[in-house]
Amino acid sequence: AQSVTQLGSHVSVSEGALVLLRCNYSSSVPPYLFWYVQYPNQGLQLLLKYTTGATLVKGINGFEAEFKKSETSFHLTKPSAHMSDAAEYFCAVSEASGNKLTFGGGTRVLVKP
Amino acid sequence: ETGVTQTPRHLVMGMTNKKSLKCEQHLGHNAMYWYKQSAKKPLELMFVYNFKEQTENNSVPSRFSPECPNSSHLFLHLHTLQPEDSALYLCASSPEISGANVLTFGAGSRLTVL
Repeated sequence: AQSVTQLGSHVSVSEGALVLLRCNYSSSVPPYLFWYVQYPNQGLQLLLKYTTGATLVKGINGFEAEFKKSETSFHLTKPSAHMSDAAEYFCAVSEASGNKLTFGGGTRVLVKP
Repeated sequence: ETGVTQTPRHLVMGMTNKKSLKCEQHLGHNAMYWYKQSAKKPLELMFVYNFKEQTENNSVPSRFSPECPNSSHLFLHLHTLQPEDSALYLCASSPEISGANVLTFGAGSRLTVL
């Protein structure tokens, strides 16, 4: 069975500082990995995904994530936080043939001016 | 209208009421999903439909009854709910059933059971 662990349910960063959100997964087969973002009163939207190929994946709004198989990690980073990045971020994993997207518990990001 | 639309956005119901949540997508997708988002719990997959056929029921209590009349519409019928069923119910769709597919989510229906 797949599982996803996001370290830290809340993260507070200053505007302009690095954003680092940690995600570790367990999967018995090579996974597909995703980061979704949820802004207040909205559904989830895709930030980026890893399926195959280059392990450093760039997404929208300046975010990127690196797939590290040896560490079973898919951490999300953004060099410089903006006030508009305040939201909840979800890491998710699925298997190639599956229809089950397993989500982590989410990390709520607060950006301080 | 594009994307995934969910109605109503907010619903308050008593434990003896019967209500329904509606989801509609105009993306031409063939797979549709219901997820439950509760406070302090990860998103839980409830049901999956592929070309109108249910392919996944994640041990959901029978007081939740899904219906998928066509690939564009998905309903969640609710009856005799419990207060612990209060949550944000998210509908999503994808082109097909595949691990690589990106899900497009609606804004959710926030349900409060009194």
